[in-house]
Amino acid sequence: GAVVSQHPSWVICKSGTSVKIECRSLDFQATTMFWYRQFPKQSLMLMATSNEGSKATYEQGVEKDKFLINHASLTLSTLTVTSAHPEDSSFYICSATDRAWPRDQFFGPGTRLTVL
Amino acid sequence: SQQGEEDPQALSIQEGENATMNCSYKTSINNLQWYRQNSGRGLVHLILIRSNEREKHSGRLRVTLDTSKKSSSLLITASRAADTASYFCATVLTGGGNKLTFGTGTQLKVEL
Repeated sequence: GAVVSQHPSWVICKSGTSVKIECRSLDFQATTMFWYRQFPKQSLMLMATSNEGSKATYEQGVEKDKFLINHASLTLSTLTVTSAHPEDSSFYICSATDRAWPRDQFFGPGTRLTVL
Repeated sequence: SQQGEEDPQALSIQEGENATMNCSYKTSINNLQWYRQNSGRGLVHLILIRSNEREKHSGRLRVTLDTSKKSSSLLITASRAADTASYFCATVLTGGGNKLTFGTGTQLKVEL
């Protein structure tokens, strides 16, 4: 149980295009989902927290107009990187908390974004 | 920032040896967690230790927490090549809900 999937697992796009990454909780209802970014050989940095049906809360320094987060249902959150640039190339990881076990975060496998 | 510092940044040992990684943080925490990440993959939760606990075991893993020093250690005993990965500590701050703040990580390499 408690499986989180991400799609796609990797994506390559041209500079200036937008890319959508999906995060799904497969066997539980995720009241909260978190989005992290990880640069090579670095730690995970929290970008934003999203609660189902409400606006995401962004961490300081993260541009909410550039990283659009939608948490429309209890099993799906999406992160859209708008007008992507090479410096947005990174590993994006989501996590989700189960309504029944809000303390535990379950992580997705990550999405590798490369912007050319 | 609260981001934890981990040391060493990289550790290389022989199979069968023990590996110890340390994590320090800056402010009051509710709990501290350790995660493993294989290269280019997602995170695997290893163990959680609450602020009122001092030591916890899980299989070959032993975690200690010293809140007076704001530090934790992860010991992997009898390491195996399959333990090769990056290890991160992550803290949940007091009053911080369930938001995790990750440390800088230790890259462990276990050689045959």
